[in-house]
Parts: sequence; structure tokens; C-alpha cells
Amino acid sequence: SQKIEQNSEALNIQEGKTATLTCNYTNYSPAYLQWYRQDPGRGPVFLLLIRENEKEKRKERLKVTFDTTLKQSLFHITASQPADSATYLCALDDSGGYNKLIFGAGTRLAVHP
Amino acid sequence: GAGVSQSPRYKVAKRGQDVALRCDPISGHVSLFWYQQALGQGPEFLTYFQNEAQLDKSGLPSDRFFAERPEGSVSTLKIQRTQQEDSAVYLCASSPSRDRVGNQPQHFGDGTRLSIL
Repeated sequence: SQKIEQNSEALNIQEGKTATLTCNYTNYSPAYLQWYRQDPGRGPVFLLLIRENEKEKRKERLKVTFDTTLKQSLFHITASQPADSATYLCALDDSGGYNKLIFGAGTRLAVHP
Repeated sequence: GAGVSQSPRYKVAKRGQDVALRCDPISGHVSLFWYQQALGQGPEFLTYFQNEAQLDKSGLPSDRFFAERPEGSVSTLKIQRTQQEDSAVYLCASSPSRDRVGNQPQHFGDGTRLSIL
């Protein structure tokens, strides 16, 4: 069956460290993968998009990798801050589904001072 | 406003009542999406509009769910004869072009939290 898996357990890290979040997928062939941030009671906010022919994408303290062989994307936040605490969602579009993004359940990140 | 606006923010209804949820997308955005988000889960696709045309409604859970965007801007999601399992947050998102959905960021509203008693 098709599924997207993100760490269901919350990730707790110390301020200043690098947070690494994982997104694994099964039985999808995405051409694109996106990462969003969601705060409690708010809608998701777009962070980064990576294409299947890109290995890595960076934006300020954020880095995303996309490995189509492992069927995995990693999302890194370097020099993490308490303000980075939120739920992070990965989303992909399946090559057969041009009209929809399919989201993972998200990983909650808590950055402690 | 600059972002996607949804109203109401909260809606409580009794089982069996009809509800209507409104989405005002970013002005000029061609694509509009509705999602349903259960507690602790990611958004789940319901339906997609390109301007006024509903191109994909494969995610609507039953024929009690109906969405429209008659003039290609504001959209309404209507749920008839609500059931307790309809309780969730309903999110609306828009994006500027007709480009493949994965190749463009989606701009989300803050959702309507629907509770069915």
C-alpha cells in the first residue's frame, strides 16, 4: 500500500544543535517533495520544495535532501532556536496525481533553551 | 488581505445540520484546494479547483460533501446532514498558477475547526 512516514515521536533537541527530520515514502514516485511548518491552530506554511533530479536544496538555516533510491527526504535545521519549535510536514505529489499533494502526519519538533 | 482567509474559524453544529465553510484565496490565484485535517494527522486532500472548474473531487468522503467556486475566486465547502466523523479542521489553500501541484508552494488559511455534537 502507499504510505508516507514521518517520525511519530516528538523530536526534542537543545538550542544551537541541528535538527534532522525524516520523511520516508512507499509505493509513490514523486517528481516533487515539499516541506511545510505548522504551528498549533494555524495552517501549514510552505518552507522548501525539491525536485526529483535535485539532491539537495538550501534556504538560510534549512536544508532538504531527496533520495529517490532510498525513497527518503531529510530535513535539517541548523543552529536551531526555540522559535523553530513546531510540527513539520512533508508532502509529495505522485506522478499519477497531478492535482493533489499527499501529506505525512508530521513530526513535532521542540527546541529547548 | 494578503493571505488566504477562512471563515468561520470555529463552527459547532448538531448532528444532522448542514454547514457551509468559506474560503477567500489570495487574489488572482488560479488554483484552490480543500483539505481535511484530523487531530495529529496531516492534511488530507478533498478537492481541487482551477478557476471555477472543479477538476478533482476524488477526496470528498461522501456525497454529503459539496464544494463550489462559481466565479473563480471565493469557494464554499458545504457539508449536508453532518455526522460526528465530520469533526475536523478544514483547510483551504491556493496557488498562483495551473502548474503541476508539486511544483508550486501552496498558501494555506488557518482553517475552520468544525465540531459536530
